[in-house]
Amino acid sequence: DAKTTQPPSMDCAEGRAANLPCNHSTISGNEYVYWYRQIHSQGPQYIIHGLKNNETNEMASLIITEDRKSSTLILPHATLRDTAVYYCIVRVNNAGNMLTFGGGTRLMVKP
Amino acid sequence: KAGVTQTPRYLIKTRGQQVTLSCSPISGHRSVSWYQQTPGQGLQFLFEYFSETQRNKGNFPGRFSGRQFSNSRSEMNVSTLELGDSALYLCASSPWTGGNTIYFGEGSWLTVV
Repeated sequence: DAKTTQPPSMDCAEGRAANLPCNHSTISGNEYVYWYRQIHSQGPQYIIHGLKNNETNEMASLIITEDRKSSTLILPHATLRDTAVYYCIVRVNNAGNMLTFGGGTRLMVKP
Repeated sequence: KAGVTQTPRYLIKTRGQQVTLSCSPISGHRSVSWYQQTPGQGLQFLFEYFSETQRNKGNFPGRFSGRQFSNSRSEMNVSTLELGDSALYLCASSPWTGGNTIYFGEGSWLTVV
């Protein structure tokens, strides 16, 4: 699977949008971009995934650049409960269920 | 629908002992995978089971093993425990092997003393 690069930490004010970037410049055409988050001492929580089109669900939006070399996870109105480590993962969907986690981005939402 | 359930949540073992951790996947999910999380190495893939067969294996010694039962429930075993095996062990399930979203349980915290 392609390697991803994320900033180690970010801050966001409560109520503002949190934009978390991810670089995956070596992504292959059949690799999806997945986002998970892990709140302290809990298991990772699935957020969203996409292939090349932008995606939105009740938790977040995923914006993937046209060349697919980077993406941004957007939490539209961050709350204190969104404080977590966010992981961007690229994955070939038909090659088993092994996820390769990087260091992620530690998002701190501040009042 | 119940999520991925892992037992026990917390346990303490002594070096040299062995431990067995249990995972019940989401109902209808047939793939179960296991991960180890430590402060130094982060989240690392251990192995995946589908239809009672190991499908993928991460880079861990043979002391780490697992199995899956016909009802898709899974267990992992660590023998001859070392201090470095202290970690959060996470189980994840998915309907199939590849092509579906993977959902994680809350994990089992293992402390080796």
